Amino acid sequence: SQQGEEDPQALSIQEGENATMNCSYKTSINNLQWYRQNSGRGLVHLILIRSNEREKHSGRLRVTLDTSKKSSSLLITASRAADTASYFCAGTSGSRLTFGEGTQLTVNP
Amino acid sequence: DADVTQTPRNRITKTGKRIMLECSQTKGHDRMYWYRQDPGLGLRLIYYSFDVKDINKGEISDGYSVSRQAQAKFSLSLESAIPNQTALYFCATSDPRGVVRTGELFFGEGSRLTVL
Repeated sequence: SQQGEEDPQALSIQEGENATMNCSYKTSINNLQWYRQNSGRGLVHLILIRSNEREKHSGRLRVTLDTSKKSSSLLITASRAADTASYFCAGTSGSRLTFGEGTQLTVNP
Repeated sequence: DADVTQTPRNRITKTGKRIMLECSQTKGHDRMYWYRQDPGLGLRLIYYSFDVKDINKGEISDGYSVSRQAQAKFSLSLESAIPNQTALYFCATSDPRGVVRTGELFFGEGSRLTVL
């Protein structure tokens, strides 16, 4: 079973707008990570938030984690056409990393 | 040069054939993983290895086997390929040292396998 479930499955916005993607997970985690995948390419790590953290920033990315609700969100501010990609959350439990189904983000120029 | 290299990048084969997907890395990481990606299902873990003598099954290991030939090499085999093994396969590595025991994964570019 997937550790994470992401919402929405697809998101289309205009350049300059903010994009918010949500992730819910089922079991306790040590940390939660977000990855980006350009079409047909390998995944690239974006940001990691530990289970004892509530919010983390990296450039235009902001990640929140609510362990009581078993949920996380990824906010991309001032989106660009180059942000078009699939975004995956992944929860770490023990030594394993389990991925959600992903959100396909399209940023229209 | 890529840090995590997968070969072949694309392969078309027939049902019943034996297929090997190879992965090599220059990152010096001990941990290596094989994932499978299907549309709408995200990535699912097939096998993982924490060092040369360590092999562990993931959530979907049936129909697959692996070999960790060296720290830098981790191969995935399909002994008798079937059409529902058509997917995009990813190798990944990670480094357990440091503050975060299970940190980020570094992915190869993927091997697209089609079983007819």
